[in-house]
Amino acid sequence: AQKVTQAQTEISVVEKEDVTLDCVYETRDTTYYLFWYKQPPSGELVFLIRRNSFDEQNEISGRYSWNFQKSTSSFNFTITASQVVDSAVYFCALSEPYSGYSTLTFGKGTMLLVSP
Amino acid sequence: SQTIHQWPATLVQPVGSPLSLECTVEGTSNPNLYWYRQAAGRGLQLLFYSVGIGQISSEVPQNLSASRPQDRQFILSSKKLLLSDSGFYLCAWTAGKSSTDTQYFGPGTRLTVL
Repeated sequence: AQKVTQAQTEISVVEKEDVTLDCVYETRDTTYYLFWYKQPPSGELVFLIRRNSFDEQNEISGRYSWNFQKSTSSFNFTITASQVVDSAVYFCALSEPYSGYSTLTFGKGTMLLVSP
Repeated sequence: SQTIHQWPATLVQPVGSPLSLECTVEGTSNPNLYWYRQAAGRGLQLLFYSVGIGQISSEVPQNLSASRPQDRQFILSSKKLLLSDSGFYLCAWTAGKSSTDTQYFGPGTRLTVL
């Protein structure tokens, strides 16, 4: 069975600090996809990134970067120079490739609080 | 571009009353549609998904039901609400039928059952 673990329940940082959100996954599949979503206080889940299991290149998008390491089954998310607007709950998710519809196994989320 | 709408945004209902939540997607055809519930503990639970009109699959047997009367409309219903139905309900869609497609979520409906 698939599993996603986000061991950090809550993280508090001061603005401009860098912060890394950890995500560890378990799957028996060799082909899979990993996702990160952001849930601000308004509640909507905002898609951030989708990465397939064959692409281990790190991804950078502005202040956001993702480090995918198959050897440790991790897909960590780093925010550089954090801002108050980054305060949200962040979810890591894993997709199951063999069903006929999208299935996501979500972690329990990490709440990030960035204070000014 | 595609957009997803949910209404109402907030709802307070007494125990035993009926429920109808609506989700509509614009800008795409034949999407897969999903209903999730997020309880206070933040975990996301998939309730139903639909791959086409009239096709509903339930992930968790419970007090709720879903229907898809039109291609881009997904409705979550209950005949009699329970206290445990309180939560944040999210609708999501995928453009394709692949299991690895990205899910895009709506703004959600916050339901409080008293």
